[in-house]
Amino acid sequence: DAGVTQSPTHLIKTRGQQVTLRCSPKSGHDTVSWYQQALGQGPQFIFQYYEEEERQRGNFPDRFSGHQFPNYSSELNVNALLLGDSALYLCASSPGTSGSETQYFGPGTRLLVL
Amino acid sequence: GQQVMQIPQYQHVQEGEDFTTYCNSSTTLSNIQWYKQRPGGHPVFLIQLVKSGEVKKQKRLTFQFGEAKKNSSLHITATQTTDVGTYFCAGRTYSGAGSYQLTFGKGTKLSVIP
Repeated sequence: DAGVTQSPTHLIKTRGQQVTLRCSPKSGHDTVSWYQQALGQGPQFIFQYYEEEERQRGNFPDRFSGHQFPNYSSELNVNALLLGDSALYLCASSPGTSGSETQYFGPGTRLLVL
Repeated sequence: GQQVMQIPQYQHVQEGEDFTTYCNSSTTLSNIQWYKQRPGGHPVFLIQLVKSGEVKKQKRLTFQFGEAKKNSSLHITATQTTDVGTYFCAGRTYSGAGSYQLTFGKGTKLSVIP
């Protein structure tokens, strides 16, 4: 049983570019959450997808958008990249949104913006 | 918005010594989760506490949830070099429309001196 997978593992972009990160949830999980983890900080919640809709959103600008596909996989898109967007981007999946489920994190995508 | 404060930021201990990290939320939590992140890795779920005053143990790790469900602690007895990593607490609050949001603390980075 594969856990949460993310691609790519590493990415280098320049300011102003756009990036798409991908996540496949753990088998049986239908909810995907995205987090940004800057160096030395805790993960910060970006948004959560369930039933192909954005269900809740953290304090991130509209440059950050996402999508969830019928197979529950998800994408995170970031437009007009800034240097401050350099971080580890984590995807976490869970079975539902009851508030008591365990989230399983993927290995993350390390994004460097030059 | 909801804030989760975690102290200390860093802790260096001699192998065999005990270690404790504390977590405080600005609001009452539905539950609290603890994660461990090894250097270069991703957060790995350790435990979830739900009930007021709850105490759970995992071998040398003891987790507590405060009576007011606003604070929590993780205590490690007789640390080992394998305990090295950053420990995060993450508080879950109800954010409306059937959704819950997970807010992470900044973590406590534990170093163990052999």
